[in-house]
Amino acid sequence: EPEVTQTPSHQVTQMGQEVILRCVPISNHLYFYWYRQILGQKVEFLVSFYNNEISEKSEIFDDQFSVERPDGSNFTLKIRSTKLEDSAMYFCASKPTGFRNTEAFFGQGTRLTVV
Amino acid sequence: DAKTTQPPSMDCAEGRAANLPCNHSTISGNEYVYWYRQIHSQGPQYIIHGLKNNETNEMASLIITEDRKSSTLILPHATLRDTAVYYCIVRPEGGGADGLTFGKGTHLIIQP
Repeated sequence: EPEVTQTPSHQVTQMGQEVILRCVPISNHLYFYWYRQILGQKVEFLVSFYNNEISEKSEIFDDQFSVERPDGSNFTLKIRSTKLEDSAMYFCASKPTGFRNTEAFFGQGTRLTVV
Repeated sequence: DAKTTQPPSMDCAEGRAANLPCNHSTISGNEYVYWYRQIHSQGPQYIIHGLKNNETNEMASLIITEDRKSSTLILPHATLRDTAVYYCIVRPEGGGADGLTFGKGTHLIIQP
């Protein structure tokens, strides 16, 4: 069964450093998403991406975040200057279409720890 | 999106049916009910969705009341691997790249 894959599974970084989280969505999917989940809290939507541009973003997705689909298969989330409060699980998801009544497929997540 | 209300936690014996309720009293006519689950910090996993008719797939059944103000997710023969947080989400039909809005869900614990 096709799946969304994320690397690395765990990333530790120092405060102020830049990190790039990587995702390979399912190959024929067109819509891509990043979510985050701070330990013990809800899963929160960050951003959606379609046709090489951001479609929607939440208020969490500020100027320190950026997304890119550099080569037609990878989908990356960059955090420019990490803060302690960026420590969380980051989930990538993809969907085949933009219709809301299609399921989203999630990856297993990257645990980001900022020290 | 309409707001949903779920109990914070439930227990169920292994092998029995797990019935997870969800209230969505402000649901609109064009809004679907979705269920996802999250097993211990893994990525959320889609289970099922429906509009007004009852739905069944290989994972679960979804029963939506006639007035659509509430629904029940049924796992017919719960196993220990079904221990997870279950999220009931209401979303309108149609196109849109907006993300899912997760609440706190119901933590279902399957007891051996």
